[in-house]
Amino acid sequence: NAGVTQTPKFQVLKTGQSMTLQCAQDMNHNSMYWYRQDPGMGLRLIYYSASEGTTDKGEVPNGYNVSRLNKREFSLRLESAAPSQTSVYFCASSEAWRGAGRREQYFGPGTRLTVT
Amino acid sequence: RKEVEQDPGPFNVPEGATVAFNCTYSNSASQSFFWYRQDCRKEPKLLMSVYSSGNEDGRFTAQLNRASQYISLLIRDSKLSDSATYLCVVNVAGGFKTIFGAGTRLFVKA
Repeated sequence: NAGVTQTPKFQVLKTGQSMTLQCAQDMNHNSMYWYRQDPGMGLRLIYYSASEGTTDKGEVPNGYNVSRLNKREFSLRLESAAPSQTSVYFCASSEAWRGAGRREQYFGPGTRLTVT
Repeated sequence: RKEVEQDPGPFNVPEGATVAFNCTYSNSASQSFFWYRQDCRKEPKLLMSVYSSGNEDGRFTAQLNRASQYISLLIRDSKLSDSATYLCVVNVAGGFKTIFGAGTRLFVKA
């Protein structure tokens, strides 16, 4: 049981290049999320997928696109990378919203992206 | 004003000390609350949920004060392995809005 996996672990891009960050979970969770984490700031939600077949914008979606490929996989694409997108990217998953709203999230190991 | 605010620290404490972290949130629609732990260059991991009546898990005690919109985490008998960043996390009712505090760094020294 691997939990949440992400690839790649590290990436360096030049401004204007594109790339896709991959995420997969084997916990049969319905909901998946992409966050970025910058120094001195909390994790900020980029996009989320409440369930297979749906995606929605989070707090900082500009410059990103996502695809919920199936229940297990949720990818994040940078179409034209900018230095402001230098960050650590975390994918997470959780069970569907239930009852009193308690929904713990489980995180992947992160992708460290540098855009020069 | 940030929606979830934490003292960034760092807190430097000796082994065996008791240390308390505080967190305030601004959205009154906040419904569920958590403390996560994040080790250096690692992913956040759930430490404990925070219940209205307060809850304890071994050396860790979490408290919630909805009237004051305040959450706390108390660590007793600190261990070297407790050194990490502690994130206060709030879920807002009615959607998938989860707000993370920037974290409080803790260093436990021998």
